[in-house]
Amino acid sequence: QQQVKQSPQSLIVQKGGISIINCAYENTAFDYFPWYQQFPGKGPALLIAIRPDVSEKKEGRFTISFNKSAKQFSLHIMDSQPGDSATYFCAASMGAQKLVFGQGTRLTINP
Amino acid sequence: DAGVIQSPRHEVTEMGQEVTLRCKPISGHNSLFWYRQTMMRGLELLIYFNNNVPIDDSGMPEDRFSAKMPNASFSTLKIQPSEPRDSAVYFCASSPRIGETGELFFGEGSRLTVL
Repeated sequence: QQQVKQSPQSLIVQKGGISIINCAYENTAFDYFPWYQQFPGKGPALLIAIRPDVSEKKEGRFTISFNKSAKQFSLHIMDSQPGDSATYFCAASMGAQKLVFGQGTRLTINP
Repeated sequence: DAGVIQSPRHEVTEMGQEVTLRCKPISGHNSLFWYRQTMMRGLELLIYFNNNVPIDDSGMPEDRFSAKMPNASFSTLKIQPSEPRDSAVYFCASSPRIGETGELFFGEGSRLTVL
């Protein structure tokens, strides 16, 4: 119940395309769903986050879509750029600061 | 402003040796977290502190692991004795908030290799 399942493990997208990464969870007590971005040799950094009272949040080219009934959420990267090539982690927590991370998706944007 | 500072960045040691990883959180942050990252298990929370007090160490794999936070600006993660399966990247993160979720600020990690 503490797991967050992320897919796909790796993704290759052409420059200008849309990158989509999906996550699913079981614990309905989760109330915070962030996405982190990690470049090689660096620590993860917060990209965007959502709480379950909204179905979508957009920040620039990055959008989180949240489906509470399906217990799923996804990250969409519009107009993907080579600089977006990184590993992306979804995560979830339930108010106690313990973030549970998905396994990660290695995204490659081909120029 | 300086971010979370971890040392050493790389550590290679032999099985059975003691390893100490160090972390300086962002000034003014009240929560500190230690994570471990491996290909097989991804990012795992080992332990976290609020106001220098350990709150949850249920992720610490076994008694060989210990963590301390003697003051607000310093924390250590110690492995004694180390084993090859401890090889991983260990991340320290800090957060300005207590009691609620929010952004974690990660350091650049300490890559540990145990031969």
